[in-house]
Amino acid sequence: GAVVSQHPSRVICKSGTSVKIECRSLDFQATTMFWYRQFPKKSLMLMATSNEGSKATYEQGVEKDKFLINHASLTLSTLTVTSAHPEDSSFYICSARARGRTNQPQHFGDGTRLSIL
Amino acid sequence: AQKITQTQPGMFVQEKEAVTLDCTYDTSDPSYGLFWYKQPSSGEMIFLIYQGSYDQQNATEGRYSLNFQKARKSANLVISASQLGDSAMYFCAMSPMNRDDKIIFGKGTRLHILP
Repeated sequence: GAVVSQHPSRVICKSGTSVKIECRSLDFQATTMFWYRQFPKKSLMLMATSNEGSKATYEQGVEKDKFLINHASLTLSTLTVTSAHPEDSSFYICSARARGRTNQPQHFGDGTRLSIL
Repeated sequence: AQKITQTQPGMFVQEKEAVTLDCTYDTSDPSYGLFWYKQPSSGEMIFLIYQGSYDQQNATEGRYSLNFQKARKSANLVISASQLGDSAMYFCAMSPMNRDDKIIFGKGTRLHILP
């Protein structure tokens, strides 16, 4: 069964709307979660590292005010796309790994397809 | 700096044949893990196989095996007896061991299994 739950799986909304995506680790604690963006037929692009109890670390070129990340607990990280516009349409996917298990694979959520009209 | 290179953007393979997906990497970390993920058209990332840099034996998981050649910095994925359901995008990835750092992905290889 899934060990990382991502919700919602699909969002279609109007331009200017803010959209929140949740990423939950179901049976383990994760001090760190990762958010990726994927364009069609491209690889995953890391957007930011979500750190429990502290500020997220954003990759170069990613607007922190546009993509707000909150990692309020050891099992939940949220990504909010603020005032979304059509260019924000993409596939967003999160991953997490059990705390301290650096030799274990990261488990991914099923992703969120975001479409901004 | 860490880097993953997958030089095959696409591959076509006849069903039941074995297929090798290439992956080379570069890192300055003394210990690291190498991973392969499968992404079908539905989008989810499915973990296939893991190889630690200090593992003496090549990893195997069912029909998947990882041909790890540390000196050459390569970690090729071998799929034996390919099936139609193997058609997907395949990503090679790497992350350092002993610290919780991000995972680096290659650009991927799209595998098409022909009936």
